[in-house]
Amino acid sequence: NAGVTQTPKFRVLKTGQSMTLLCAQDMNHEYMYWYRQDPGMGLRLIHYSVGEGTTAKGEVPDGYNVSRLKKQNFLLGLESAAPSQTSVYFCASSYSLGRGTYNEQFFGPGTRLTVL
Amino acid sequence: GIQVEQSPPDLILQEGANSTLRCNFSDSVNNLQWFHQNPWGQLINLFYIPSGTKQNGRLSATTVATERYSLLYISSSQTTDSGVYFCAVDLYSGAGSYQLTFGKGTKLSVIP
Repeated sequence: NAGVTQTPKFRVLKTGQSMTLLCAQDMNHEYMYWYRQDPGMGLRLIHYSVGEGTTAKGEVPDGYNVSRLKKQNFLLGLESAAPSQTSVYFCASSYSLGRGTYNEQFFGPGTRLTVL
Repeated sequence: GIQVEQSPPDLILQEGANSTLRCNFSDSVNNLQWFHQNPWGQLINLFYIPSGTKQNGRLSATTVATERYSLLYISSSQTTDSGVYFCAVDLYSGAGSYQLTFGKGTKLSVIP
């Protein structure tokens, strides 16, 4: 099993450009998440999904959109990139235990994004 | 929202020494995880431990949910233990919150 994979690993954008980050998991997990990590800080949740076709906002959703068209994939989009979105982006997935609880989250290797 | 505080923020150890990292949280939780972020940025799951004690080799963790803290023990430290250790919790909610809230981490440096 590859676990959680992310594409691309690195990207440089100019202000105003758009891009999509792809997250894929092969563990048949119901829940998927997108986090960002800024220097010297822990991770903060951007958006999450509790199942195919459903998404919800996390702590820092502004400037991002997401889609979960297939259970194994979770896409994060930046429509008009800003320098404040320079960060490392991590995707994660977890298995549902039902009734809104879940098992541990497993993380991908991260995508380092720079917006000039 | 829930507050997660980790201590100490920085720790320097001689190889072979033992250490204890602490995580305090401000409310009841239904999920607590410890991660190691290595110098290459990769996040490695160490423990999923909402309560009780677990051990994995030289590492062990204890969570006392009623007193709202968790401890990570590293024994006989090695240079490969260097990196940042994060504690992350999910606030208990009957409907489920799905959100892991991370502490700011403890940066560990193990010197030969």
